[in-house]
Amino acid sequence: AQSVTQLGSHVSVSEGALVLLRCNYSSSVPPYLFWYVQYPNQGLQLLLKYTTGATLVKGINGFEAEFKKSETSFHLTKPSAHMSDAAEYFCAVIGGNNNDMRFGAGTRLTVKP
Amino acid sequence: EAGVTQFPSHSVIEKGQTVTLRCDPISGHDNLYWYRRVMGKEIKFLLHFVKESKQDESGMPNNRFLAERTGGTYSTLKVQPAELEDSGVYFCASSQTTNQPQHFGDGTRLSIL
Repeated sequence: AQSVTQLGSHVSVSEGALVLLRCNYSSSVPPYLFWYVQYPNQGLQLLLKYTTGATLVKGINGFEAEFKKSETSFHLTKPSAHMSDAAEYFCAVIGGNNNDMRFGAGTRLTVKP
Repeated sequence: EAGVTQFPSHSVIEKGQTVTLRCDPISGHDNLYWYRRVMGKEIKFLLHFVKESKQDESGMPNNRFLAERTGGTYSTLKVQPAELEDSGVYFCASSQTTNQPQHFGDGTRLSIL
């Protein structure tokens, strides 16, 4: 069965600083990987996805993530944090025979002025 | 296109009562998923419909939970009788195929008193 681990339930950065949110996965088959963002009182919004092809994927709002098979990782980055990036971020994987999605526990990002 | 809609957005009921949550997926999406997030914990998969059929219901906590998707359009999730530990946010998502990104509703926040 597939699973996801997000290191750090809370991450705090200063405005303009690099954002790095970590995600490691396990999967019995080549995975499909996703990052979702949840702003307060809203549903989950897709940031980016990796299915096949280029391992560096770009998403909305300047975010990108790199699929590293050797490290079983799919870390999310953004070069310069903006106040509006404050939200909770979820890494997710589809990677089992049942094709169902499994989520990490989430990382809450705080951006300080 | 209209997104995934969930109703109600909030529900507060007493222990022992019955509550029914509704999800309207994006039109044309055969796949419909229910998830739950208990406060502070990860988003957990509950079940997956393909059209009107239950593809996977391995995440359903117990037999107090009943999900239906008659006609393969909207879905309902009934909790009867509700217990305190059922409190949380219930998300619905839909997708065209199982390996495409899932589109999420805003969730129903369920509080059991």
